[in-house]
Amino acid sequence: AQSVTQLDSQVPVFEEAPVELRCNYSSSVSVYLFWYVQYPNQGLQLLLKYLSGSTLVKSINGFEAEFNKSQTSFHLRKPSVHISDTAEYFCAVRGHNDYKLSFGAGTTVTVRA
Amino acid sequence: DTAVSQTPKYLVTQMGNDKSIKCEQNLGHDTMYWYKQDSKKFLKIMFSYNNKELIINETVPNRFSPKSPDKAHLNLHINSLELGDSAVYFCASSQGLLMNTEAFFGQGTRLTVV
Repeated sequence: AQSVTQLDSQVPVFEEAPVELRCNYSSSVSVYLFWYVQYPNQGLQLLLKYLSGSTLVKSINGFEAEFNKSQTSFHLRKPSVHISDTAEYFCAVRGHNDYKLSFGAGTTVTVRA
Repeated sequence: DTAVSQTPKYLVTQMGNDKSIKCEQNLGHDTMYWYKQDSKKFLKIMFSYNNKELIINETVPNRFSPKSPDKAHLNLHINSLELGDSAVYFCASSQGLLMNTEAFFGQGTRLTVV
């Protein structure tokens, strides 16, 4: 079985500042890793994913995450946030031989002007 | 052109009632899921179906009964609703059980039991 720990429950940040959301996972098998975003009163949308290959993955809206196998981490970063990035961010993991996606508890990002 | 759609979006009902939430996906996926998001926004899987077969059944009260009439639909029926059932329920779908694909989520159904 896999589990995910998101180390920060709330991250307040000023507009145009950088942000990092930390995610660590636990698994005895190889994994796929995901970041989902949930805007207020909306469903979950996939932000980015690591399946294989390059350990640095990027989204179209400026987010990136790096898979670090030795540290079992998949931290999410953005060099300059916008007000519109205010949302709940979920890290998720699925083992290569597992059927289900396991989520972390989420990190609330609040961007202030 | 919604990929995963759930109805209703909001559901307010009294304790003891029976209610259903419907989910449909038009992505051609063969696997569908129900997740429950509690008041602290924690997401936990409830059920998963692959090709209409139940493959994941987490520790969920048997008042909850999923039904998959075909690969594109996964409905959730809840009997004898309790206050603790109040949550947001998300339907999701993906292609393949062990393939390296992501899950697509619906907009959620906010269930409030009064």
